[in-house]
Amino acid sequence: DSGVTQTPKHLITATGQRVTLRCSPRSGDLSVYWYQQSLDQGLQFLIQYYNGEERAKGNILERFSAQQFPDLHSELNLSSLELGDSALYFCASSRNTDTQYFGPGTRLTVL
Amino acid sequence: GENVEQHPSTLSVQEGDSAVIKCTYSDSASNYFPWYKQELGKRPQLIIDIRSNVGEKKDQRIAVTLNKTAKHFSLHITETQPEDSAVYFCAASISTNAGKSTFGDGTTLTVKP
Repeated sequence: DSGVTQTPKHLITATGQRVTLRCSPRSGDLSVYWYQQSLDQGLQFLIQYYNGEERAKGNILERFSAQQFPDLHSELNLSSLELGDSALYFCASSRNTDTQYFGPGTRLTVL
Repeated sequence: GENVEQHPSTLSVQEGDSAVIKCTYSDSASNYFPWYKQELGKRPQLIIDIRSNVGEKKDQRIAVTLNKTAKHFSLHITETQPEDSAVYFCAASISTNAGKSTFGDGTTLTVKP
C-alpha cells in the first residue's frame, strides 16, 4: 500500500457523460500527478499540481480538467466522454520532487 | 521538453538468466532516474532509483547504472524469477519543486520457468 488512495475503483458510464475521479495523496505530499494508461499502453502524463497550483501539463485534452484543494486532495474531471477515454487513470503523489507513489488507479469504462 | 526512449519493448528470458533494460534521455538537466514495476492490473511501484551524482546502485538482484555523458541508464535484474514478470518503466526528471517525470514506454519482461 503506497498511502495514495483513489476513488472510485471502477466507473462505468456512457458516451457524452461527465465523471469525477478523486485522489488523496500520502500524508505530507504536496505534489499530485495524474496519468492515463490505455490498454497495453504506457503511462501518459496528464497534469501535475503542487500545493494547490498547476505546475505542469502534459497531453491533457481540453475536455479534461483537474484541481487540487487546500487539503491537498485532487480531482480529475472528464467531460463529454468518448469510447477512447476508457482507460486506467492513476494518481501519484510526491513529497517535493522526485519519487512518485502511485495510487491503485480508477478503471474507467465508457460504453 | 524531456524525451525518454526505452528498449526493448518486450524481453523474454529463461528463469535464472539476467535481464537488461535500457533507457536514454534527452535533457542533460535531468538528475533523477527511477524505475517502476507494474504487474498486470496493478499500480506502478518504485523498485530502484538513482541520482545523477551516483554511477551505480544495487539492491539485492536489481541494479541500475547511469552514464551521464551518454545520457543513458539501465536496469539489470540477475537470477530472474517468474515473479519478475511485469512491465518495467524508466523515468527521468529534474529534481526541483516542479518534479515532473517523463516516462519511457515500458518493457514487458517475461521470465519463463
